Amino acid sequence: AQKVTQAQTEISVVEKEDVTLDCVYETRDTTYYLFWYKQPPSGELVFLIRRNSFDEQNEISGRYSWNFQKSTSSFNFTITASQVVDSAVYFCALSPGAGNKLTFGGGTRVLVKP
Amino acid sequence: EPEVTQTPSHQVTQMGQEVILRCVPISNHLYFYWYRQILGQKVEFLVSFYNNEISEKSEIFDDQFSVERPDGSNFTLKIRSTKLEDSAMYFCASRSTWQETQYFGPGTRLLVL
Repeated sequence: AQKVTQAQTEISVVEKEDVTLDCVYETRDTTYYLFWYKQPPSGELVFLIRRNSFDEQNEISGRYSWNFQKSTSSFNFTITASQVVDSAVYFCALSPGAGNKLTFGGGTRVLVKP
Repeated sequence: EPEVTQTPSHQVTQMGQEVILRCVPISNHLYFYWYRQILGQKVEFLVSFYNNEISEKSEIFDDQFSVERPDGSNFTLKIRSTKLEDSAMYFCASRSTWQETQYFGPGTRLLVL
């Protein structure tokens, strides 16, 4: 069975502060995929980033960066210099393999105040 | 940029009525999914569909639910006899053969009264 835990239910920051969202996962699969999705107040689910289990290289994409650590089963996500438009619920998700179902965490609500 | 579309955006129905939620996946995608999100809760997998058959389904996807790809573009979710607890946002997603990422539609908010 797979499980994704996002311990932070809500984070409130002031604009321009950095925000780090924690994600811890459980899986018995040796190959798996990790994702972050954003759900703005309008309700849609927007894909942000994907990581394969065999690639632990951490990257930065614009204001987004992620830290994948297999040893601790964590896949944390950071928004640098947050903006009001970043206010949303962020979901971490896990898939055991290409094409398989996504298991989502409970989400973290981020509120960025001006 | 291609995107998944869903209709209707909102649907209100009476308990016991049948509803059909429609999705148009991204055109060259062959893998299709339905998920649901009860208000304020996590997103839950319902069913996956490939090559005109169900690949996997969750415990939620009982006999009241069915999926169909009636033509080359639409992918539907039918709830035969709705219950109050079916009230949720229903998301359709699709994926290409060459990529692991599932792309989601904007969702249909279903309210069962």
